[in-house]
Amino acid sequence: SQTIHQWPATLVQPVGSPLSLECTVEGTSNPNLYWYRQAAGRGLQLLFYSVGIGQISSEVPQNLSASRPQDRQFILSSKKLLLSDSGFYLCAEGGEINTGELFFGEGSRLTVL
Amino acid sequence: AQSVAQPEDQVKVAEGNPLTVKCTYSVSGNPYLFWYVQYPNRGLQFLLKYITGDNLVKGSYGFEAEFNKSQTSFHLKKPSALVSDSALYFCADYSGGYQKVTFGTGTKLQVIP
Repeated sequence: SQTIHQWPATLVQPVGSPLSLECTVEGTSNPNLYWYRQAAGRGLQLLFYSVGIGQISSEVPQNLSASRPQDRQFILSSKKLLLSDSGFYLCAEGGEINTGELFFGEGSRLTVL
Repeated sequence: AQSVAQPEDQVKVAEGNPLTVKCTYSVSGNPYLFWYVQYPNRGLQFLLKYITGDNLVKGSYGFEAEFNKSQTSFHLKKPSALVSDSALYFCADYSGGYQKVTFGTGTKLQVIP
């Protein structure tokens, strides 16, 4: 079964600083990968998804970007953080093909001060 | 467009009592519906899914959900609540494609000892 690693688990960054959150997946190949943001401990917002190396689709315009340099690696970045970027970031992998079932990592909590 | 709605922001139930967390959906065609659970500061965990077949779906930790087409509902149930069931519960639907998993706003379940 697949395992999804996210780091760092927690991060406190000043406004205007860069960001890099990493997600790696074990136990599966050619996964569909997703970045979600959860604000205020409630609803989930899909930020990016990737179906393969170098293939990134953005769901909402924002201050963030994503990259997929390797099959099992998905990175969320920002050049200059905003206060509104604070939140709980979740990486997910699409399990069975075309069923919609997702497997989530443990999340990275970002606080921008 | 498909979507799910969770009408209750919070549900409180006494330990040992049955619990229900509500979800309604709006969709054309046959929906793929899911329930996920999130414990504090953790990623989401898959509980159960409905794709086709029996309207009563059994999942992890003793949870089950009933798909009701006439009422467009997919309520999560458990016969006897445990304090450890206290968490945030998300209903979700999948409309096909790589990214089309839509989550409800979440319902906070509190089981009182």
